[in-house]
Amino acid sequence: KQEVTQIPAALSVPEGENLVLNCSFTDSAIYNLQWFRQDPGKGLTSLLLIQSSQREQTSGRLNASLDKSSGRSTLYIAASQPGDSATYLCAVDRGSTLGRLYFGRGTQLTVWP
Amino acid sequence: GAGVSQTPSNKVTEKGKYVELRCDPISGHTALYWYRQSLGQGPEFLIYFQGTGAADDSGLPNDRFFAVRPEGSVSTLKIQRTERGDSAVYLCASSLNLQGELFFGEGSRLTVL
Repeated sequence: KQEVTQIPAALSVPEGENLVLNCSFTDSAIYNLQWFRQDPGKGLTSLLLIQSSQREQTSGRLNASLDKSSGRSTLYIAASQPGDSATYLCAVDRGSTLGRLYFGRGTQLTVWP
Repeated sequence: GAGVSQTPSNKVTEKGKYVELRCDPISGHTALYWYRQSLGQGPEFLIYFQGTGAADDSGLPNDRFFAVRPEGSVSTLKIQRTERGDSAVYLCASSLNLQGELFFGEGSRLTVL
């Protein structure tokens, strides 16, 4: 069974810091890896999708990398802002169905002014 | 509506009761997914539909859980003889097709007393 682990579980930083969130998975036979954001009491918002043939994706201040062979992904957040405060979830799939996902427990990020 | 709509947003019930949770996907989305998120955990896959049929229901925890999507649009997740361990946020997501990006609703928070 696919196990997804996220480190750290929680992170509290001052505004402006560059951050690294880590995700690891046990079964490297994945098709895609996604990073989501979840605000309290809300659903999930997709941030970045890395397909198996890719090694990284960038969107604004966010950059995610994928190393399938080692079973790891990293989400890099540049110049963090208080509005980035949320829980960040990593998820992988294992087949052609993009939505059949295995999630980690998330990293709860707090960015204070 | 513009996004995935889930009702009710909150449901409190007593142990042993029957519960229905509704999901209204984005118009035109053929794929629909149900996930369950317990406190402090990542979402866990329950079932997904392609059109009217349940393409994969392997995540349903037991036969007390059942989901339908009779006309290929709105879906209902049904839980019989609820138990305290069923307390969680039930998330619904839809996508244009099985390879499309997922869009999540805000969830239905179920509390079983």
